[in-house]
Amino acid sequence: QKEVEQNSGPLSVPEGAIASLNCTYSDRGSQSFFWYRQYSGKSPELIMFIYSNGDKEDGRFTAQLNKASQYVSLLIRDSQPSDSATYLCAVTSGGYNKLIFGAGTRLAVHP
Amino acid sequence: DTEVTQTPKHLVMGMTNKKSLKCEQHMGHRAMYWYKQKAKKPPELMFVYSYEKLSINESVPSRFSPECPNSSLLNLHLHALQPEDSALYLCASRGASGGNEQFFGPGTRLTVL
Repeated sequence: QKEVEQNSGPLSVPEGAIASLNCTYSDRGSQSFFWYRQYSGKSPELIMFIYSNGDKEDGRFTAQLNKASQYVSLLIRDSQPSDSATYLCAVTSGGYNKLIFGAGTRLAVHP
Repeated sequence: DTEVTQTPKHLVMGMTNKKSLKCEQHMGHRAMYWYKQKAKKPPELMFVYSYEKLSINESVPSRFSPECPNSSLLNLHLHALQPEDSALYLCASRGASGGNEQFFGPGTRLTVL
């Protein structure tokens, strides 16, 4: 059974700090990696994707991928209370870009 | 535009009812997905359609019946559901060329009485 693991949290950070969320995956064949943000009662929203080793930055978000260590991370700079949500790590596994999700990390940004 | 729409937003049904969920996208995506999400759990894949053909069925009970009438539309027909089927049902679509990103619709909150 292919797995994706995340700390469930909650991860509590003060406003303006950097939030660091981590994810490991078991399928060495995974090629695509995603971070979704999900507010309570809403659907997942894609915020970052990364396909190659290294860093990818988009605004306040940076995704990092290390395929050798089977590790993906998301950094959120200058965290805001509006960033408080559950962050889901997802990786492709198998055909048709089937997504395997981690259990999600709950982030709480306090003023 | 990365919009996937789903109707209805909320649905309450009895165990003997038949109902359908609808999902629509106009991004030209050729892969569409149904997921089920229970409270405080991640989404679980149910079905994948690729080029309007059912490609993956994750051993979903037959009381859930998917249908893809055309490349823009995906339905999920529900019949004789159980209370434990109450969940958020999510549709997603993925572009055929370029990236592998999946975009989710807002979901249908289903309650089975």
